[in-house]
Amino acid sequence: GENVEQHPSTLSVQEGDSAVIKCTYSDSASNYFPWYKQELGKRPQLIIDIRSNVGEKKDQRIAVTLNKTAKHFSLHITETQPEDSAVYFCAASRGSSNTGKLIFGQGTTLQVKP
Amino acid sequence: NAGVTQTPKFQVLKTGQSMTLQCAQDMNHEYMSWYRQDPGMGLRLIHYSVGAGITDQGEVPNGYNVSRSTTEDFPLRLLSAAPSQTSVYFCASSLDNSNTEAFFGQGTRLTVV
Repeated sequence: GENVEQHPSTLSVQEGDSAVIKCTYSDSASNYFPWYKQELGKRPQLIIDIRSNVGEKKDQRIAVTLNKTAKHFSLHITETQPEDSAVYFCAASRGSSNTGKLIFGQGTTLQVKP
Repeated sequence: NAGVTQTPKFQVLKTGQSMTLQCAQDMNHEYMSWYRQDPGMGLRLIHYSVGAGITDQGEVPNGYNVSRSTTEDFPLRLLSAAPSQTSVYFCASSLDNSNTEAFFGQGTRLTVV
């Protein structure tokens, strides 16, 4: 089955710096790669996603890149702010061809220091 | 809309007890799933359902049962609780199984002593 590895497990940056979180996946048939943000004590919420027919997607200060050949994808946060501090999860799925199972990485705790 | 609602929010069980975690969604979503969240291990899929009457196992199904008698409800049953089942449990739903956004409930923090 699908396996998703996420690195680093913790990341500390100064406010205004950029942060990058990387994930690798094992199932070459995966075609959907969402990223979720979980603030302390809250539920995970989708922040951005990318599909396999796209190499990069941006939404204001966040962007995701996908390299299908290498089977890895990354989350990029620019101009980080203290409110970006949270746990971030990547995930992978191959949709209805595998009943839509969404498999998550281990999570990255991002701390943005003011 | 309430979205995805889980009950209870907190629960303490003794080893060997059974209980049911409730999950309901009011978005007419076909796809529902249960995850457990443990430190350093991310969100691991326990069971999922692609529609009423259909369920299947995820990554860590042992010790848990599910059923899906209606589109709205997807309860998770712990048959005989063990300390290893101490975790935070999240229910999630999405429109269908074709790579659409998953909406999570607020979570249930379960402690087994």
